[in-house]
Parts: sequence; C-alpha cells; structure tokens
Amino acid sequence: AQKITQTQPGMFVQEKEAVTLDCTYDTSDPSYGLFWYKQPSSGEMIFLIYQGSYDQQNATEGRYSLNFQKARKSANLVISASQLGDSAMYFCAMRASPGSARQLTFGSGTQLTVLP
Amino acid sequence: EADIYQTPRYLVIGTGKKITLECSQTMGHDKMYWYQQDPGMELHLIHYSYGVNSTEKGDLSSESTVSRIRTEHFPLTLESARPSHTSQYLCASSSGLDTGELFFGEGSRLTVL
Repeated sequence: AQKITQTQPGMFVQEKEAVTLDCTYDTSDPSYGLFWYKQPSSGEMIFLIYQGSYDQQNATEGRYSLNFQKARKSANLVISASQLGDSAMYFCAMRASPGSARQLTFGSGTQLTVLP
Repeated sequence: EADIYQTPRYLVIGTGKKITLECSQTMGHDKMYWYQQDPGMELHLIHYSYGVNSTEKGDLSSESTVSRIRTEHFPLTLESARPSHTSQYLCASSSGLDTGELFFGEGSRLTVL
C-alpha cells in the first residue's frame, strides 16, 4: 500500500522568500512517480512538478523545484521567491510504476500563506 | 492547458433529489477518475474508469454511481442526495502514458440541505 505524509497543515512565508513544503512517502513498488499539485481557493487542481523514482536529477519547473531524497523517502517542494499568488493548498501525490493506470494517492495537504 | 470540464460548478439541492455531475474531456484520454474532497482536506478516489464500459470503485466507499458510455464522458450520479454527500467532487483524466499526470476539472461543489 502507498502512503503520503504531509506533516505541515499550515505554513507562512514572507513575500520574495523561499519556502519548503515537506512530503514523505511509503511504497513497496520499485518504480513510482511523485507529483505536487496546487489548489487555490477556487478549487481546481494545478499540476506543478513531477519526479520519477529513477530520475537522476531533481526536477525543476521555473520557481518550483523538488528536493528528492530517495533513501529518506522524501520529496519536498521548494518554492523560490514566493509571490502572493502562491497562497494556496499544496498536495503531494504518488503513483506507482510509470505508465501504470493506477490513480494517484494524495497527502493531506499544506496550506501556504504568503505574507506581504 | 487541460481540456476537462465539469458542470455544474456549484449545486445546492434538497435531500432526496437525484443529481448528476457531468465531466467531459476532449483529450481522448482512456482513464478517468472521480475524487471526493471535503474543504481543506485530502482527495479520496471514489470511482475510476480505464475505458468505455469499464468502471471500478475507488478507495473511499461512495453511494454514487458512474457510467462510461463514451470515452470523453464520465458522469457521476447520486440517486437520492443526503446532507452527508455535501462535498467537492473533482473529475480527472490521464492518458496513462509518460508521467501519468492527472488533468483535473474545476470541480463541482455540492451542498445538500
């Protein structure tokens, strides 16, 4: 069984500062994928970044980077130069086996508030 | 930009009514999913489909039902709505290839009085 743990229910960060959102996971699958999604108050889920378990380098997408530590089973999201529009709920998710039809398992989320 | 649409976005309805939440995607994805999410909480899978005429129940038990008669359409139905069904329902689709990223609709917020 897969499990995603996000231990920070809420986080605050000053505008223009960097912030790290924690995510740890547990799986017995040898091959898996990790995702981060952003959910603004409007409710839609926005894909941010993806990391494959066999990817040699940490994924980056603009201001988002994923700090992947496979031995520790962690996949933290780093947002650099925070903006007011980054205030939202952030979910870490995992899917087993690239190409698998299985659905994503989501963590409980972290509510990020960016302060002016 | 993902092309997956949900209607209605908001619905307030009385107990006992039948409701159908619509979900359509224009990406030709075989795999479609319904997630249920209470405010500020995690997403729970309630139904999924691997293709036409294929539907399965998810991890969270739900009184809703789904159908997949066409690839692009995956409606969710509640025969008799109750206050406990009040929640947000998110539809998603995936090609099943590459990363397996899910593309989400904007969600349907259901309130049952």
